[in-house]
Amino acid sequence: GAGVSQTPSNKVTEKGKYVELRCDPISGHTALYWYRQSLGQGPEFLIYFQGTGAADDSGLPNDRFFAVRPEGSVSTLKIQRTERGDSAVYLCASSSTPGGLAGGRREQFFGPGTRLTVL
Amino acid sequence: GENVEQHPSTLSVQEGDSAVIKCTYSDSASNYFPWYKQELGKGPQLIIDIRSNVGEKKDQRIAVTLNKTAKHFSLHITETQPEDSAVYFCAASRDYKLSFGAGTTVTVRA
Repeated sequence: GAGVSQTPSNKVTEKGKYVELRCDPISGHTALYWYRQSLGQGPEFLIYFQGTGAADDSGLPNDRFFAVRPEGSVSTLKIQRTERGDSAVYLCASSSTPGGLAGGRREQFFGPGTRLTVL
Repeated sequence: GENVEQHPSTLSVQEGDSAVIKCTYSDSASNYFPWYKQELGKGPQLIIDIRSNVGEKKDQRIAVTLNKTAKHFSLHITETQPEDSAVYFCAASRDYKLSFGAGTTVTVRA
């Protein structure tokens, strides 16, 4: 398929461990977003990449969270010293152009998410 | 930042009836309003969106209306079918960051 893919689909880890979550955006999409969705809530913005650079990381909850996109395609969200409160579904989305640009396509297409459980 | 409120949190309708979900937003600079449908275990799927220069948009059984003055927008689903059962989210944005409502669980009774 040509949609956004995320791996793994489920990740169970122990408190204090390090985890990496991967996102493959739609081919050709320059903008990539990470959101976090807690149970019974809407997604919350974490970080936005335009190309290789993080244009806005204001949604990252603290310095245990970090994300990279070294070649402007695949992105990895990294969480250090995981805590039980980090348990959530982590969603990745991509769009062909970033929002706000005149005439830009603003539709964000989401992947299936990674369900992270911290025991 | 933007604050989006969504009502109701749950909605049960008889098959064939209409469903309406309402959202309000706080940031008057928001100019893009998408609606997403999320099924269990899946990511949100964009079903319709509207920009601030348009008051209404329709796509088959789905329509969205926007009142910029009152800062609210609504999703209307007509002739509901069992496959419309899902969680629906509204969102608002002024740039690239989507701010979501808390979601509405829609159940269509056969």
